[in-house]
Amino acid sequence: AQRVTQPEKLLSVFKGAPVELKCNYSYSGSPELFWYVQYSRQRLQLLLRHISRESIKGFTADLNKGETSFHLKKPFAQEEDSAMYYCALKAQGGSEKLVFGKGMKLTVNP
Amino acid sequence: EADIYQTPRYLVIGTGKKITLECSQTMGHDKMYWYQQDPGMELHLIHYSYGVNSTEKGDLSSESTVSRIRTEHFPLTLESARPSHTSQYLCASSDRDFGYNEQFFGPGTRLTVL
Repeated sequence: AQRVTQPEKLLSVFKGAPVELKCNYSYSGSPELFWYVQYSRQRLQLLLRHISRESIKGFTADLNKGETSFHLKKPFAQEEDSAMYYCALKAQGGSEKLVFGKGMKLTVNP
Repeated sequence: EADIYQTPRYLVIGTGKKITLECSQTMGHDKMYWYQQDPGMELHLIHYSYGVNSTEKGDLSSESTVSRIRTEHFPLTLESARPSHTSQYLCASSDRDFGYNEQFFGPGTRLTVL
């Protein structure tokens, strides 16, 4: 069965501190991994996906198949990064179905 | 303006009532999805559709039903609401091209059944 685990529900840091939001997955095939973000009073939206291998808003995430992880990192957090972050997995093949983790609330304090 | 709309945004009703949650998109997308999310929990896919007259059940069993008569419209219906249906319902859509396409989410409907 496909499963996404975000072990921490809350993370609070000060502005300028590094952040790492952890995500582990369970899937026997070759998955596609994503990070979705929901800012206060806004909709859930895609932040980045591992296929793109790009940095979005200073965030990066590397897929580690050995550790089945897809941790989201940013070296210097900003106050505007405060949001709910969801890790999601898409199984290989034609299905577009996503499996989400429970989410993690990041608070960046001034 | 291309967008995805959900109405109502908030709904409080009594047990046994029939309700329909509306979802419409002007994105020109073929694929549409319904997710259910309890507070502090993950989103669970309950229904999806790859086009007109195509509907499938998602990973989470739900007593709700959906229809897809028009490309832009994907309503969700509960024939007899119960307190266990209290949750947030999110509608999403994505394009049809090859490979993965980003899912765009609506603002959600927060349902409370008394």
